Parts: sequence; structure tokens; C-alpha cells
Amino acid sequence: NAGVTQTPKFQVLKTGQSMTLQCAQDMNHEYMSWYRQDPGMGLRLIHYSVGAGITDQGEVPNGYNVSRSTTEDFPLRLLSAAPSQTSVYFCASSYGGRLGYDTQYFGPGTRLTVL
Amino acid sequence: KNQVEQSPQSLIILEGKNCTLQCNYTVSPFSNLRWYKQDTGRGPVSLTIMTFSENTKSNGRYTATLDADTKQSSLHITASQLSDSASYICVVSPDSWGKLQFGAGTQVVVTP
Repeated sequence: NAGVTQTPKFQVLKTGQSMTLQCAQDMNHEYMSWYRQDPGMGLRLIHYSVGAGITDQGEVPNGYNVSRSTTEDFPLRLLSAAPSQTSVYFCASSYGGRLGYDTQYFGPGTRLTVL
Repeated sequence: KNQVEQSPQSLIILEGKNCTLQCNYTVSPFSNLRWYKQDTGRGPVSLTIMTFSENTKSNGRYTATLDADTKQSSLHITASQLSDSASYICVVSPDSWGKLQFGAGTQVVVTP
């Protein structure tokens, strides 16, 4: 199993550009989520999904869109990049989600810089 | 205000020594508490998960404790190794699975 994969690993954007961060998992996990990690702060939830076709907002959803058309893939779209979105982005997945006891598996991260 | 506070922010320990990291939380309701290890440039990796009814859980040289009454947890690292150099993150889960609360982490550096 590849686990959770993310692409690209690094990305530089100009203000106003759009892009999609890719996330895929091959463990047949229902629950997937996107976080951003900024220096001196804990990971913050952007969006999450409890299954194909179901998504919901997290703590910091503004400026980001998600969709979940398949169990395996959960892309994160930046609509119009801003310097405040410079961060490291992590995708995570777990088998279930209702009780929250399952182990989360994280991808390697995407380091995004917005100029 | 962050509902999960970790201390110390960073620490340096000699290889072979023990150390203890602290986590205080105000998240309510409370479902479970997790500790993650994050190596530089990589995603977090789960070490332990404890429900409110568990007082302690071990994973090799890592032992986590939980006092749900005082809302405190600790992570003890025994006989530290150079590979233990990482950030250790405390995460608290309320009853809603999508709303995990992450601490800022404790940066541990193990020196020879």
C-alpha cells in the first residue's frame, strides 16, 4: 500500500492564481481531511469528508474548495491564492469517523508559497 | 484561544535520558486524546490514542498518561534515542469526529 499520497510536494504561486492540491489513499478509508500547518500553531482543519459525495467545512475553510467523487481521492482547490495561504498542507485519512477512535494516516505534505 | 496547550515549547535532552512532555486541554466534551510524532518535513504519525476511561497507554518507549478530571495528559519518552528528535503533538477529539483540536507541539532534540 502506498498509504496517503500528496502532489505536488512543493508549489510556488502568484497572488490570484488557482491550483489544486491532490490527495489520494489506497486503504479504502471513508474519512479524509485537509489541514494546514503554520509555524507556532497547531494543525488547523480546512475541510473534511466522511465518504464519497459528502464534505463539510472545518475551522478555516475560506478560500478553499473540496469535492469527493470517489473514496480514494480528495482534492483541495485554492480559488484565488493569497499570501495568507502560504503554509504546509497535509491530507489525512482514517477508516471510519463516527466515534473518532480510528488512527489517522497523514500524507507527506505540500509546501505552498504564495508571492 | 487554543484549547490544547503543550509545554515545554522545546527541550534538549541527552541520548539515553528520559523526558516528559505535558498537555493541558479545555476541549469539552471529550472523546479521546492522541499523541502524534512529526519528524521534520514529514506528516504526523500516530503514537497513542486514549479514551476518557483510559489512564495510560504505551507504544514501545513512549508512554502516555491521561487524567480526564484535571484535563491533563503527559507523554513520557524512556531511554531517548537520536531518532526521537521530532515534534510531539497532543490532539484532543470532542464528540464530533471532524473537529480535532491540535496543540502547537513540543520540539524535542536528542543530542549524543
